[in-house]
Amino acid sequence: DAGVIQSPRHEVTEMGQEVTLRCKPISGHDYLFWYRQTMMRGLELLIYFNNNVPIDDSGMPEDRFSAKMPNASFSTLKIQPSEPRDSAVYFCASSPYELTADTQYFGPGTRLTVL
Amino acid sequence: AQSVTQPDIHITVSEGASLELRCNYSYGATPYLFWYVQSPGQGLQLLLKYFSGDTLVQGIKGFEAEFKRSQSSFNLRKPSVHWSDAAEYFCAVGTYTGNQFYFGTGTSLTVIP
Repeated sequence: DAGVIQSPRHEVTEMGQEVTLRCKPISGHDYLFWYRQTMMRGLELLIYFNNNVPIDDSGMPEDRFSAKMPNASFSTLKIQPSEPRDSAVYFCASSPYELTADTQYFGPGTRLTVL
Repeated sequence: AQSVTQPDIHITVSEGASLELRCNYSYGATPYLFWYVQSPGQGLQLLLKYFSGDTLVQGIKGFEAEFKRSQSSFNLRKPSVHWSDAAEYFCAVGTYTGNQFYFGTGTSLTVIP
């Protein structure tokens, strides 16, 4: 398996623009997670899905953030409008198990820079 | 509230020396415990995990960790560090009640020749 795939790997945009990050989980994994990593706050869980359904989005920082999973092989994290403080590395992870039960497999991340 | 503490932000060791990275957690019951490694520009990779049973857990790349309930700790060890071990290491805690998962702030490891 190719592992979790994220695109783009790097994104530079200007404040106010819409940003869409994409993730393809490992085939057969029922759970998908979106994380944000910054120096100040470390790794934060933003939202996770089970069988394409959002289960817990309490980590989503603001209404400017939204996530979808239209099918088992694709998820998006959208920021609209983007702000400089959204600059971070965004990771997608998938797991065949429930959040607390077992291993999460991480993608390489998308480094977002908002100017 | 549950939390994970990695007291060492950065550690430098010589190649071939032993390594111990500290992790302390705060949780009312026995949590699920994990160590992940993140190489520069990469995602996180699981090194090892503890759910129950033997408190000494073996992982990949020659790492091991020991769960000590009395100290609420899950320290990561390696007897002889290789230059390729230079990376960021994250301890993580999962709780089976409340379905929560927390990462520590990470420890950056530098290996000098």
